[in-house]
Amino acid sequence: RKEVEQDPGPFNVPEGATVAFNCTYSNSASQSFFWYRQDCRKEPKLLMSVYSSGNEDGRFTAQLNRASQYISLLIRDSKLSDSATYLCVVNEMSGTYKYIFGTGTRLKVLA
Amino acid sequence: DVKVTQSSRYLVKRTGEKVFLECVQDMDHENMFWYRQDPGLGLRLIYFSYDVKMKEKGDIPEGYSVSREKKERFSLILESASTNQTSMYLCASNKGPARPQHFGDGTRLSIL
Repeated sequence: RKEVEQDPGPFNVPEGATVAFNCTYSNSASQSFFWYRQDCRKEPKLLMSVYSSGNEDGRFTAQLNRASQYISLLIRDSKLSDSATYLCVVNEMSGTYKYIFGTGTRLKVLA
Repeated sequence: DVKVTQSSRYLVKRTGEKVFLECVQDMDHENMFWYRQDPGLGLRLIYFSYDVKMKEKGDIPEGYSVSREKKERFSLILESASTNQTSMYLCASNKGPARPQHFGDGTRLSIL
């Protein structure tokens, strides 16, 4: 089983739709979680950290489910500019430098 | 805003050459990282450094070395470039463990 697993997609959605991605992780001791956005041939950019109680930033909502070992990203009112690959990142243990990256979920928002 | 700057966006080198990739960050971050990203494999850690002159091997250190003489600069060295080192190389930095990483623009390296 991969340490961090994502559905590669692509998820093709119309503008204005709501779309959600999940990311599962295998190490129950994982402490910190992040979502990054990566455009084609560009560097990953931090979208948001994921907090235990869940958090929201505008149209984006991130949640953590420790019991089932997954995090989720919900995008509401999708824009064309949201088209990108979304990477899930897990920091395995508090106090370590080990970050595990998922291979990403590709989103295409269609006009 | 955190700024992580990589010296080259695109680089073409020949097999057997010694290649230097430079990375500079301006936020006084303790930690710096070098990754490579290949299609279908995601980001893989080559080396990281948690302090000046300190370094730790990542998951794929073979064929690479690093240097951190100053806090803001972390260099990746390909001792003798080979074609299987053709990849996108990404430098990142962060303030401490469990903190989010900030990435440079990346260097697309082609070894011919």
